[in-house]
Amino acid sequence: AQRVTQPEKLLSVFKGAPVELKCNYSYSGSPELFWYVQYSRQRLQLLLRHISRESIKGFTADLNKGETSFHLKKPFAQEEDSAMYYCALSGSTDSWGKLQFGAGTQVVVTP
Amino acid sequence: DAGVTQSPTHLIKTRGQQVTLRCSPKSGHDTVSWYQQALGQGPQFIFQYYEEEERQRGNFPDRFSGHQFPNYSSELNVNALLRGDSALYLCASSSIQGPGEQYFGPGTRLTVT
Repeated sequence: AQRVTQPEKLLSVFKGAPVELKCNYSYSGSPELFWYVQYSRQRLQLLLRHISRESIKGFTADLNKGETSFHLKKPFAQEEDSAMYYCALSGSTDSWGKLQFGAGTQVVVTP
Repeated sequence: DAGVTQSPTHLIKTRGQQVTLRCSPKSGHDTVSWYQQALGQGPQFIFQYYEEEERQRGNFPDRFSGHQFPNYSSELNVNALLRGDSALYLCASSSIQGPGEQYFGPGTRLTVT
């Protein structure tokens, strides 16, 4: 069974400090991993996907298949990064496009 | 392009009633997925429609059914409502070439009393 675990419900960091959101997954195969973000009063939106390997808004995430992790990192947090972050997994072939979400991590960046 | 739109925004129903939620996908998208998000939890996958057929389904009872129309818009129907069905229902659209990259609507807040 596929599962996504985000161990932290709330992450409070100071502006300018590094931030790391943890995501661990279980899936017997080659999954596709995503980070989605929801800013206050906005809809859920894609932040980044592991396949693209790009940095969005200063965030990066590396897929570690050995540790089955996909942690999201940013070296210097900004106040506008305050939001709810969800890690999501899509399986291959038969479950392709079926997103399994973690419970989410609320990030609060204080000045 | 208004992106993914959903209607209605809010809905209050009584236990045992039936409800229909509607979704219009982002322009150019052909795949629609529905999610249920309870308070404090991540979205849970209900089902996905492509070419007017249910392509995948999550762990939801048959009371939850859907439909996709030729213009790619979609409906989610829930019969015999239970209080536990109270949640935010999200619609997401994508292209079949990249179904994991989904664009979400604002959601419909359903309250069952």
